[in-house]
Amino acid sequence: QVQLVQSGAEVKKPGSSVKVSCKASGGTFTNYPIGWVRQAPGHGLEWMGDIIPIFRRTNYAQKFQGRVTITADESTSIAYMELSSLRSEDTAVYYCARASSTWFLVDYDHYAMDVWGQGTTVTVSS
Amino acid sequence: EIVLTQSPGTLSLSPGERVTLSCRASQSVSRNYVVWYQQKPGQAPRLLIHAASSRPPGIPDRFSGSGSGTDFTLTISSLDPADSAVYYCHQYGSSPWTFGQGTKVEIK
Repeated sequence: QVQLVQSGAEVKKPGSSVKVSCKASGGTFTNYPIGWVRQAPGHGLEWMGDIIPIFRRTNYAQKFQGRVTITADESTSIAYMELSSLRSEDTAVYYCARASSTWFLVDYDHYAMDVWGQGTTVTVSS
Repeated sequence: EIVLTQSPGTLSLSPGERVTLSCRASQSVSRNYVVWYQQKPGQAPRLLIHAASSRPPGIPDRFSGSGSGTDFTLTISSLDPADSAVYYCHQYGSSPWTFGQGTKVEIK
């Protein structure tokens, strides 16, 4: 049973960067894309991008291009999401998510995210 | 970018009632790759339906999804108090993936 466990809450200053980790356990890591989604307080869900660990291929939402970097370490089964040039509007809960099995994975570009991390709260404040 | 518009914004219904939530896409969603999520306060989203109408094992059969192209629906056949939550539709047919703004379901 696939589980995703994320790193703890962060408080950051405007202009700085944050790096959130997401450790996968209980399933294959390399062949399943991992996506990142954020949710600002009182708002909806926003897809940021994803990575296919086996190819280290990333796909980012245009809104975050140039500010977000998603990486994956196959040796530890950990994915990372780093967001730079933080501003107050980046205050949100950040989630990693993936398909748990081929039931949800059509191909590397199309998959339903059925397993989610617990979320990491990032607060940007001076 | 595909914009997903959900309606209504909020619903307040009694236990046992039938609930229909709508999700309309600004353009056709490739191969109907639409997910419905349920989210309760302080929790991560929970997948209810994928590929527009497929319900995974473990999801109560009172939840069902339908639709194709640009119009998708989540139906709860008989509302349970545990169904109080915000429901989001999500398309993974074309990048960038997008989410609807959510429908809040309240139990009277």
